[in-house]
Amino acid sequence: DAKTTQPNSMESNEEEPVHLPCNHSTISGTDYIHWYRQLPSQGPEYVIHGLTSNVNNRMASLAIAEDRKSSTLILHRATLRDAAVYYCILDNSGGGADGLTFGKGTHLIIQP
Amino acid sequence: DTGVSQDPRHKITKRGQNVTFRCDPISEHNRLYWYRQTLGQGPEFLTYFQNEAQLEKSRLLSDRFSAERPKGSFSTLEIQRTEQGDSAMYLCASSSDVSYTFGSGTRLTVV
Repeated sequence: DAKTTQPNSMESNEEEPVHLPCNHSTISGTDYIHWYRQLPSQGPEYVIHGLTSNVNNRMASLAIAEDRKSSTLILHRATLRDAAVYYCILDNSGGGADGLTFGKGTHLIIQP
Repeated sequence: DTGVSQDPRHKITKRGQNVTFRCDPISEHNRLYWYRQTLGQGPEFLTYFQNEAQLEKSRLLSDRFSAERPKGSFSTLEIQRTEQGDSAMYLCASSSDVSYTFGSGTRLTVV
């Protein structure tokens, strides 16, 4: 799977929007962009995924650049419970044999 | 369905002992994965089952590690002759489509 690049950490204030960037310049046409987050002492949790168009769900929005070489996860109004490590992952196997390839992710800190 | 369950949550064992972890996936999910996660790193893929068949193994899965998924339901991961380097969080995930549901993991400490 192609590689992604994320900042090691970001800090935001409670009740403000958060924009988490991800670069994936070597993305292929069949790569889906997935976001998972991991709260302390828990397993990763699915957040959102997309291919070309922007996506919204109850947890977040995913904005995908027109050339697909970058994307941004948007948390519209951060709460303290959103403090976690956020992973941006490319996956073209549709849930295939080698699973997801995680990087180190972005450690999101939320200040009250 | 309460999601993916893993047991035990924590395990402390002496070096050289064998340990076995269990994962109960979401019942309708035919794909099951095991991952290992060390402090400060993202999860690393270990092995994959489609139903009862183990279809993929990472090079991280040494011959001391074995995994099974009898009847395509729950899965077990056994580590024989544990070493201190095996200390990590072992995560199980299941899937039936493009998203994965992870368990809370089993934290192994080898002393």
